[in-house]
Amino acid sequence: AQKVTQAQTEISVVEKEDVTLDCVYETRDTTYYLFWYKQPPSGELVFLIRRNSFDEQNEISGRYSWNFQKSTSSFNFTITASQVVDSAVYFCALSEGGYQKVTFGTGTKLQVIP
Amino acid sequence: EAEVAQSPRYKITEKSQAVAFWCDPISGHATLYWYRQILGQGPELLVQFQDESVVDDSQLPKDRFSAERLKGVDSTLKIQPAELGDSAMYLCASSPNRGRRRTNEKLFFGSGTQLSVL
Repeated sequence: AQKVTQAQTEISVVEKEDVTLDCVYETRDTTYYLFWYKQPPSGELVFLIRRNSFDEQNEISGRYSWNFQKSTSSFNFTITASQVVDSAVYFCALSEGGYQKVTFGTGTKLQVIP
Repeated sequence: EAEVAQSPRYKITEKSQAVAFWCDPISGHATLYWYRQILGQGPELLVQFQDESVVDDSQLPKDRFSAERLKGVDSTLKIQPAELGDSAMYLCASSPNRGRRRTNEKLFFGSGTQLSVL
């Protein structure tokens, strides 16, 4: 069975600090996809990134970066120079199977303090 | 940009009553998901459709929950009778994924229906 663990329930940082959100996954599939979504206070989940299991290259997009390590089954997300607008709940998700069953972690609530 | 539409945005009902939620996915999206999100937790998959067919309803409490997507477009999720523990956000999502092509595209989410059972 697929499983996603986000051990950090809540994180508070001061604006401009860097912060890393951890994600550990379990799957028996050799082909799978990993995602990060952001859920601001308004409630709608917003897609941030998708990686497939064959691409371990790290990715950077502006202040966001992602570190995918198959050896440790981790897909961590780092925000550099955090801003108040980054305050939200962040979810890691795993997609596997022919019909793309998507399982979400329990989320990490990030609070950026001005 | 096209959006996933959900209604109502909020629903308050009494225990034992019936309640229904509606979702209209992005046009052309074959896959539709219903998730339940309890406050402070991650979304939990209730049912997944591929066109009009259910491909996963293993976590759907079938004694009280039902879902349909009759023409493979919009979908309705029903609860009858509602229980106090059903209070949650019900999220609908869609994806252009079709069949077993394993392209695993991102999910597009609606704004959700916040259900309160009194």
